Amino acid sequence: DAGVIQSPRHEVTEMGQEVTLRCKPISGHNSLFWYRQTMMRGLELLIYFNNNVPIDDSGMPEDRFSAKMPNASFSTLKIQPSEPRDSAVYFCASSLFTYNEQFFGPGTRLTVL
Amino acid sequence: DAKTTQPPSMDCAEGRAANLPCNHSTISGNEYVYWYRQIHSQGPQYIIHGLKNNETNEMASLIITEDRKSSTLILPHATLRDTAVYYCIVRVHRAGEGKSTFGDGTTLTVKP
Repeated sequence: DAGVIQSPRHEVTEMGQEVTLRCKPISGHNSLFWYRQTMMRGLELLIYFNNNVPIDDSGMPEDRFSAKMPNASFSTLKIQPSEPRDSAVYFCASSLFTYNEQFFGPGTRLTVL
Repeated sequence: DAKTTQPPSMDCAEGRAANLPCNHSTISGNEYVYWYRQIHSQGPQYIIHGLKNNETNEMASLIITEDRKSSTLILPHATLRDTAVYYCIVRVHRAGEGKSTFGDGTTLTVKP
């Protein structure tokens, strides 16, 4: 199994631009999670899905952030417009069910100039 | 979910056992103890979890006290590649419940 796949691995953009991060979960896993990690705030849960349905988006910082899961094998996290304070490493994780151990992808390092 | 407390850092000699403590004095009866680690620049990696019995797998052992208020993760023969931040998390096993609160963890440094 290839594990959780994230793309791109690195993204550098300018303030105000739209950013789309992508994730492919492990095949057969029913739950998908998006996290953000910064030095100041550590690892934060942004949103998670179960069977492609968003269950809890209380961690999404503001309306500029949106996430979708159109099918069981793909999810996106979009930031529009991006701001310098969005600079962070964004991780996607998947699990068999919401309460099982989570398997993390390698992350996307986002830099907003 | 219950809050956990971990020492910010620990050192361990290569080849020796690394014992990482975690305090979770407010844990509820239906909350499990999970351990993850994060090697620099990588995504967190699941290690082990347990409810009240001690658990062992190919990576580590988990010892949970009888009152379940604390636990210890044991890496039996630490190697340099075990240098990482180790996170202790408590969470329920309930359908639809997916929140995991990662605190600051313990930075383990394995030294030659």
